[in-house]
Amino acid sequence: DTEVTQTPKHLVMGMTNKKSLKCEQHMGHRAMYWYKQKAKKPPELMFVYSYEKLSINESVPSRFSPECPNSSLLNLHLHALQPEDSALYLCASSQGPGGYGYTFGSGTRLTVV
Amino acid sequence: AQSVTQLDSQVPVFEEAPVELRCNYSSSVSVYLFWYVQYPNQGLQLLLKYLSGSTLVKGINGFEAEFNKSQTSFHLRKPSVHISDTAEYFCAVSDPGTGTASKLTFGTGTRLQVTL
Repeated sequence: DTEVTQTPKHLVMGMTNKKSLKCEQHMGHRAMYWYKQKAKKPPELMFVYSYEKLSINESVPSRFSPECPNSSLLNLHLHALQPEDSALYLCASSQGPGGYGYTFGSGTRLTVV
Repeated sequence: AQSVTQLDSQVPVFEEAPVELRCNYSSSVSVYLFWYVQYPNQGLQLLLKYLSGSTLVKGINGFEAEFNKSQTSFHLRKPSVHISDTAEYFCAVSDPGTGTASKLTFGTGTRLQVTL
């Protein structure tokens, strides 16, 4: 299995809702990432998990809450989002630091209404 | 700190013509360089990467890139493009990282538009 699987593919939520994005990989990668991508922009790093511990938080608002329950799963819990949070949320994993690069999932298209 | 500059936001090209997408980087340490492609409403797919060694790197779908340390460039080329190459292309740089994780920094992207 050489894929990163993200669910759901599309999500529409109200500003008072609570929802979660899910990411799964079975490649044995020990680093997992959340990126946010606005239209016609490059991906922006949000969070990095290394060995299931949060290692980087790029000053993301607390309405986004990551969770890494085990080495294969990464969740992003969403609460009280704003319309400007509408974006493509990408999950990625990597085998190691530096030169391995990332394997990306196909993303969750989030719309906040 | 590291950064990536993609000089062209859009590159229009006719099918079967050659193409070059430009990328320049800056970093105070050794870096690894990558090109990713993103098709509409999809995630990013790795085209190729430069870690060390030969400066000419061959990737998938007939793409290649050349690392030039003196010019801090990593331009992507394809000798003959196809309609299916129409997509957004991102150049990215990674630091050596610590532990198992590393930070990937992307350029602003180049939209390759191939027409008949």
